[in-house]
Amino acid sequence: EAGVTQFPSHSVIEKGQTVTLRCDPISGHDNLYWYRRVMGKEIKFLLHFVKESKQDESGMPNNRFLAERTGGTYSTLKVQPAELEDSGVYFCASSPSGTDYGYTFGSGTRLTVV
Amino acid sequence: SQKIEQNSEALNIQEGKTATLTCNYTNYSPAYLQWYRQDPGRGPVFLLLIRENEKEKRKERLKVTFDTTLKQSLFHITASQPADSATYLCALEKGSGNTPLVFGKGTRLSVIA
Repeated sequence: EAGVTQFPSHSVIEKGQTVTLRCDPISGHDNLYWYRRVMGKEIKFLLHFVKESKQDESGMPNNRFLAERTGGTYSTLKVQPAELEDSGVYFCASSPSGTDYGYTFGSGTRLTVV
Repeated sequence: SQKIEQNSEALNIQEGKTATLTCNYTNYSPAYLQWYRQDPGRGPVFLLLIRENEKEKRKERLKVTFDTTLKQSLFHITASQPADSATYLCALEKGSGNTPLVFGKGTRLSVIA
C-alpha cells in the first residue's frame, strides 16, 4: 500500500510569507496527525484529526497556523504569516481506528523561514 | 511537566553485540509506549508498541520491556548489524489508543563492523 505522502519535501520562504504544507494519509486511516521537529529538539505534537474533525489541537503554537482536512482525506497545514521560529521539519502521520497500531509517518516537509 | 528522557544521545557498539537503549519518563502514566526508528531525512518508522499491562514484547531481533513502577522502557537489538545504525525514538501515548505521541529526543545508534 502507498505510505503517507507529504509535499513539498522542502520549502524556503521569507518571513511574512505564506506556506501551505500538504499531507496525504494512507487510504482508510481515520486518524491524521501533524508533528513538528525544531532543530535540536524532540518531535512535538501539533494537531490530531479524526476524519474531518479536529480532535485535539492543543499543540498548535498560535493562530498563524491553520490546519484543515477536506472530506476526511488529505490535510493541509497553512502558516500565515511565517516567522523565523516556524522553521523546522513538519511531519504528518496517520493510523487506523482501534488500538495497538503504530503510526505511519511521512518523510516530512523541511521548512526554512529566512 | 511531562518529560521523557532517552539516556544516551549516542551509542556505539560492535557488530554482533546487543544494543540496549533506555527511555525514562516522569509525571506521566502512559497506557501505551512505542518505539520508532528514524533515518536521516526520513520520517519515524514504527517498530514496536507495548501496553502498560505487558512486561515484554518481541519482534525478530527486537525486544522491548516496560516497567511502569520504574517508569522505564528498555529497547534491545540482539545480534546488531551495521544496518541497524539509526536514531531510535521512544514515544508515549497521551491516552489509550489513537492519541497524540510525546517523543523523547532519541538515541543515535552506530553499529561498527
